[in-house]
Amino acid sequence: DTGVSQDPRHKITKRGQNVTFRCDPISEHNRLYWYRQTLGQGPEFLTYFQNEAQLEKSRLLSDRFSAERPKGSFSTLEIQRTEQGDSAMYLCASSLYLWREGWDEQYFGPGTRLTVT
Amino acid sequence: AQTVTQSQPEMSVQEAETVTLSCTYDTSESNYYLFWYKQPPSRQMILVIRQEAYKQQNATENRFSVNFQKAAKSFSLKISDSQLGDTAMYFCAFMKLHYTGANSKLTFGKGITLSVRP
Repeated sequence: DTGVSQDPRHKITKRGQNVTFRCDPISEHNRLYWYRQTLGQGPEFLTYFQNEAQLEKSRLLSDRFSAERPKGSFSTLEIQRTEQGDSAMYLCASSLYLWREGWDEQYFGPGTRLTVT
Repeated sequence: AQTVTQSQPEMSVQEAETVTLSCTYDTSESNYYLFWYKQPPSRQMILVIRQEAYKQQNATENRFSVNFQKAAKSFSLKISDSQLGDTAMYFCAFMKLHYTGANSKLTFGKGITLSVRP
């Protein structure tokens, strides 16, 4: 399977604990996005990387959230001091962005469902 | 900022029949793409169909077609010959075109749950 993979698929944690999620994009994709999807809502943009550079962060991403993409390959999303409001599905997507095209088709992973108790 | 509105939370259709899912959007941009994504239960989101805003011709992909009304900012998805495997959540999404390398994030609607009855 050469699609986008995410690990873990499910995570249950207690309030106040730190959690880290991993996303492995499709090989050679230069962009990687993180979205958050809460129950009954569509995914909302959190942040994205162009290769290893994090180029934009949403206002939704508080200072308890940090994301990395070392060497432009896999990415991690860490949430410190989790709160119940962090409970959601965290989706990763990757794409091959070409400037001449002006857009990119994003391929989504299966998501990590976080439950904060 | 862009907004995408899907006002129907749920729809149901009989197998083999046709169903139309509605979407409206608001933007001041002139160059953009619109998408329909499908999210089956417990499975990952996949792209169903896309429409370039500068094209007047409506996009089609096999049993899926769109009705794109740019002036009305409306973008509906028609599924013909519905199949049980079409049961899923469907999201309408907007992407601004960027030839400058800027963020091409997707802005999604709330989604609609489609159930295909046997």
